[in-house]
Amino acid sequence: EPEVTQTPSHQVTQMGQEVILRCVPISNHLYFYWYRQILGQKVEFLVSFYNNEISEKSEIFDDQFSVERPDGSNFTLKIRSTKLEDSAMYFCASSETGGQPQHFGDGTRLSIL
Amino acid sequence: RKEVEQDPGPFNVPEGATVAFNCTYSNSASQSFFWYRQDCRKEPKLLMSVYSSGNEDGRFTAQLNRASQYISLLIRDSKLSDSATYLCAVSRDDKIIFGKGTRLHILP
Repeated sequence: EPEVTQTPSHQVTQMGQEVILRCVPISNHLYFYWYRQILGQKVEFLVSFYNNEISEKSEIFDDQFSVERPDGSNFTLKIRSTKLEDSAMYFCASSETGGQPQHFGDGTRLSIL
Repeated sequence: RKEVEQDPGPFNVPEGATVAFNCTYSNSASQSFFWYRQDCRKEPKLLMSVYSSGNEDGRFTAQLNRASQYISLLIRDSKLSDSATYLCAVSRDDKIIFGKGTRLHILP
């Protein structure tokens, strides 16, 4: 069964540094998403991406964050000037169309020191 | 009011019992509805989509009541492997809004 893959599985970074989280969505999917889950809390929507542009973003997704689809397969989340409170699991997801079930990757655990 | 609310957990249920999860959502513009399960420190995995007509997949039955803005999930003949957190999810535009989840422990 096709799946969403994410790398790295765990990223440890010093506060203030930049991180890039990578995702390879399912190949025939057109919509891509990032979510985060702080330990013990619910899964929160960050951003959706379609047709090479952001289609929706949450209040969490401020100027510190950016997304990019640099080639035909990868979808990245960049976090600039990381803060302690950015520590969380970051999940990438994709779906065939908007409103369809989203399939999640197994996440990147981001730890900011 | 939270956009998606679920029963507080955890539910501790003996193996073989039937378990019911309830969920309400506040935004009537919500378009699609799902149940996901999440194992500890893992990603949400789609369990099933939920339709107004009700739908069943083996031991799992989901129901949607748009008028009441209520979603349910029933698990029959529960197994030890059903132990997980069950997430109610609604989609609107290009995002999914998750509930906080209800943790289920199936006891041998």
